[in-house]
Amino acid sequence: NAGVMQNPRHLVRRRGQEARLRCSPMKGHSHVYWYRQLPEEGLKFMVYLQKENIIDESGMPKERFSAEFPKEGPSILRIQQVVRGDSAAYFCASSPGYEKLFFGSGTQLSVL
Amino acid sequence: GENVEQHPSTLSVQEGDSAVIKCTYSDSASNYFPWYKQELGKGPQLIIDIRSNVGEKKDQRIAVTLNKTAKHFSLHITETQPEDSAVYFCAARKAAGNKLTFGGGTRVLVKP
Repeated sequence: NAGVMQNPRHLVRRRGQEARLRCSPMKGHSHVYWYRQLPEEGLKFMVYLQKENIIDESGMPKERFSAEFPKEGPSILRIQQVVRGDSAAYFCASSPGYEKLFFGSGTQLSVL
Repeated sequence: GENVEQHPSTLSVQEGDSAVIKCTYSDSASNYFPWYKQELGKGPQLIIDIRSNVGEKKDQRIAVTLNKTAKHFSLHITETQPEDSAVYFCAARKAAGNKLTFGGGTRVLVKP
């Protein structure tokens, strides 16, 4: 049973470009969470999704950020018009609906 | 919302000694408390968790204690080894399906 798969592992974008981060949850998991981690800091919640539904987006910036978890395919975190402050590690976690969250290896986004 | 404080931010111990990390939470409705270990360049890995109806849980060299009245919980690592060196995060959660709120992390260094 493969773990949570995130790609790409590293993503470099220039200011103003779009970044698309992908997350495939563990098999049988229908709950996906996205977290952001700045260097030397903790994990900050961004959004919680179930298939085709956004359950909690209280941690998402109001502009430029969006997330989806379609019926088929991976969950996508999309950042439009990236700025240098978006540079961070973005982690996806999945769960079957119970307490345990399992994290992927993350996507390191660097904005030049 | 929930707020989780974690101390200390860094901890240096001699190999074979014990390490203790403490966390406090603010929301008395929280009922699930996991601990994660994050190695450099990797995603957080769940190492142990405890629910609010349990006061203590052990798994080999790792133990977690919970004091619901005081709203604090602790991670104890005994007989530390160099491979225990990592950043450790505590977290709290109100109910299944809700987000995890993380502490700021503790960087543990085990000196051989």
